Amino acid sequence: EVVLTQSPGTLSLSPGERATLSCRASQRVSSSYLAWYQQKPGQAPRLLIYGASSRATGIPDSFSGSGSGTDFTLTISRLEPEDFAVYYCQQHGSSPLTFGGGTKVEIK
Amino acid sequence: EVQLVESGGGLVKPGGSLRLSCAASGFTFSDAWMSWVRQAPGKGLEWVGRVESKTDGGTADYAAPVKGRFTISRDDSKNTLYLQMNSLKTEDTAVYYCCRGGFNFDYWGQGTLVTVSA
Repeated sequence: EVVLTQSPGTLSLSPGERATLSCRASQRVSSSYLAWYQQKPGQAPRLLIYGASSRATGIPDSFSGSGSGTDFTLTISRLEPEDFAVYYCQQHGSSPLTFGGGTKVEIK
Repeated sequence: EVQLVESGGGLVKPGGSLRLSCAASGFTFSDAWMSWVRQAPGKGLEWVGRVESKTDGGTADYAAPVKGRFTISRDDSKNTLYLQMNSLKTEDTAVYYCCRGGFNFDYWGQGTLVTVSA
């Protein structure tokens, strides 16, 4: 099973700042098989990024994904008030599909 | 507009059974791989399992914690996905989400809460 470790657990930032979230895999994951999701309280998750760097439909270009091998990054270039949420990475290169434990981006 | 609407959640005793349904609309359901993902209260996301489209074989695949107890099925004539949960344990308590996709998940339902408690 591929274990995904996200860091930091919590990121405290102000609106307008840049957020950098990390996702590290226990074994190599093809870039094609890494996704990122955003979840707000009381809501279902929303797909942000697939294939490590492709934005899903309707996702603003302030969100970008990068990385390869075992290290992946989600960057939010400039935090808007609606971006404060929990973010999860997910791999689907091998079964079982697995999620990281999440990074909470909170208002400082 | 793609919609996924789960139903069937509720309170059940340990060892009991429950069947969740997910009504899909707004896309060609029969062409889609479908998945279930759950989230225990205050915790992260956990993949439960997926089912292929019939044209791709229709096989279901499960996470280890539920294998042998849960069964995913689909009725393409009704555009509905099912999750049959047997031998439920307290650790199965979670919100269960129906998702479109068998790899990443581009649409999610609103979730249905399953509580396993004596």
